[in-house]
Amino acid sequence: GAGVSQSPSNKVTEKGKDVELRCDPISGHTALYWYRQRLGQGLEFLIYFQGNSAPDKSGLPSDRFSAERTGESVSTLTIQRTQQEDSAVYLCASSLVLGGEYEQYFGPGTRLTVT
Amino acid sequence: AQSVAQPEDQVNVAEGNPLTVKCTYSVSGNPYLFWYVQYPNRGLQFLLKYITGDNLVKGSYGFEAEFNKSQTSFHLKKPSALVSDSALYFCAVRPFWGNNRLAFGKGNQVVVIP
Repeated sequence: GAGVSQSPSNKVTEKGKDVELRCDPISGHTALYWYRQRLGQGLEFLIYFQGNSAPDKSGLPSDRFSAERTGESVSTLTIQRTQQEDSAVYLCASSLVLGGEYEQYFGPGTRLTVT
Repeated sequence: AQSVAQPEDQVNVAEGNPLTVKCTYSVSGNPYLFWYVQYPNRGLQFLLKYITGDNLVKGSYGFEAEFNKSQTSFHLKKPSALVSDSALYFCAVRPFWGNNRLAFGKGNQVVVIP
């Protein structure tokens, strides 16, 4: 079956512009996660969603970052007024349910470059 | 909060030799532990996980990992490395009880030399 997909694969934007990144999780997966991977760094947790429960937004680095998910489908990560330090690969993952023993399945990522 | 340390930035190994990638963790209570691999320009792929039970866990592509509670370690191993194993390897931990955030290490670049 289809894996996690993300779009666009690459995004170049000017400082100060808003960007929207999209994630399509694996069908039937109720949990969805967003991570940021800076060059040479590990994965930095941003936010997760589980069904209709309130998301855990504790990893969002500033109020310029927000994310939405409709039910158990597509999610969008929005970065407003982008800064150069926002340049990174943004990875989305999904799992059958939240937490516990369930492994996460990752998309290929969106490489964001802020000029 | 949970955390992972992967002390070596890069691991070089000759093809056919044993491969070990080290991971130590910090978590409140018992852990769930995971290894992921990342090939260039691709997302992370799941390799194996420790949940409970046998300390030696076997995973994909001939990899295995050993959970050591007293040393809080979860080292990844492969008896005979292949050139195609060259990639970035990430260890991750989540607490058995509590928050559902998965904490990743910085990753280890593995280079298998032909």
